[in-house]
Amino acid sequence: GQSLEQPSEVTAVEGAIVQINCTYQTSGFYGLSWYQQHDGGAPTFLSYNALDGLEETGRFSSFLSRSDSYGYLLLQELQMKDSASYFCARDQGGKLIFGQGTELSVKP
Amino acid sequence: EPEVTQTPSHQVTQMGQEVILRCVPISNHLYFYWYRQILGQKVEFLVSFYNNEISEKSEIFDDQFSVERPDGSNFTLKIRSTKLEDSAMYFCASSREEQGQTGELFFGEGSRLTVL
Repeated sequence: GQSLEQPSEVTAVEGAIVQINCTYQTSGFYGLSWYQQHDGGAPTFLSYNALDGLEETGRFSSFLSRSDSYGYLLLQELQMKDSASYFCARDQGGKLIFGQGTELSVKP
Repeated sequence: EPEVTQTPSHQVTQMGQEVILRCVPISNHLYFYWYRQILGQKVEFLVSFYNNEISEKSEIFDDQFSVERPDGSNFTLKIRSTKLEDSAMYFCASSREEQGQTGELFFGEGSRLTVL
C-alpha cells in the first residue's frame, strides 16, 4: 500500500501553533518528507525524517514515529504567508508518493 | 540560487496531438523526475530518470509517455497522443542524490497542459 492520510484542511490564527498529522502505509518506506505549495505553484521542500524523532528547521519542525507509521509537521508563530497546501510524502527510494495535501488557512 | 526551469508555462492542445514539455534541471543534479498534479488533487509520480535511463515509472506512465535527455541540460516529457484526462500541471524535479538520502527534490514551476 502506498496511501497517506492527512487532514484536508486546517484553520489557525496568526501567531498560533498548528500541527498537521500524516499516517502512512509502511511497505517500502525510507522516510517522510514535507512540502509546501502556494496556489498550485512549485512544491517546496520543508523537512525530511528518515529516523524517529524531531527535526527542527526554524519555525517548522517535523516528527516521525516509524513504529506508529505516523508523522507530523509543526508550524510555530504562524504568519499569514504560511497559508498554503502542505503535503506529506513517503520516500520509497526511487520516488516520492504524496498525500492529498492539507490546506492551511491562517486568519488574522 | 540555482533552479529548475520549465517551458512552456502553459500549453493548450487538441486531443490526439503530441506535446513535448521541456525542463532544465539544476546543473549538478543527477536524478530527474516528472510529476503531475490534476487541479485540486495531489502530486502524482510519473517517472524517474538516472544515468540516461528510466529508473522507475508509475502506472500512469504508459506507452503514450516518453522521456529523453537529448543533451547535457534538457530533460523532456513527450505525450504522443494527448487525451482529455492528460490535462494537468506537469512538474519537473531534480536532485543531486537519490531521494532516499535526503527526501529533497527541487521542483520547477510547472507546465500547465490543457487538452481540448
